[in-house]
Amino acid sequence: GQQLNQSPQSMFIQEGEDVSMNCTSSSIFNTWLWYKQEPGEGPVLLIALYKAGELTSNGRLTAQFGITRKDSFLNISASIPSDVGIYFCAGQPQGSQGNLIFGKGTKLSVKP
Amino acid sequence: DAGVTQSPTHLIKTRGQHVTLRCSPISGHKSVSWYQQVLGQGPQFIFQYYEKEERGRGNFPDRFSARQFPNYSSELNVNALLLGDSALYLCASSLGGAKNIQYFGAGTRLSVL
Repeated sequence: GQQLNQSPQSMFIQEGEDVSMNCTSSSIFNTWLWYKQEPGEGPVLLIALYKAGELTSNGRLTAQFGITRKDSFLNISASIPSDVGIYFCAGQPQGSQGNLIFGKGTKLSVKP
Repeated sequence: DAGVTQSPTHLIKTRGQHVTLRCSPISGHKSVSWYQQVLGQGPQFIFQYYEKEERGRGNFPDRFSARQFPNYSSELNVNALLLGDSALYLCASSLGGAKNIQYFGAGTRLSVL
């Protein structure tokens, strides 16, 4: 099935470091969403973006909707051990009825 | 407030059997979507229902079917199970409007032996 190009695939960082991950698509998206998934749980929504160029923060997390509407990035500042998990980008394609296309995820590991 | 609830949490079936998975959306949400998540991958869209009507269908075989009930809960049915159907099945609910924010349940882990 269709998936977004999400990178990096995994990251191993030291507590306190900043993290950046991004997603790209070959087609235009109306909405970009960022989710975090921990073992045994479903994805939890972190940030939702609706307009090209939009920059939105949620605590230490910041995400942007690319101006071409084909990409988005997520930054995490001053990482802490509880940031560990898999981060997924998801987008709603232009003209779709509401189905989301997901990236393959970025697995984040944080060393205390 | 209760989030999206799914049942059962785990299920073991053998090839050829059928399975029914259930989902209750967040109160007030009229849209339910189903996704399949294979280990190491992101969720893949299967179906979306809004006000009991199918609104979208992903690239899955006809062995997969779903329906939504008047109380907006939903069932996903899979017939003639294959080993490759082993996955985490996620249900997401949303209001169904223009800002289609989907909230996920914890999923049903299906193992096909």
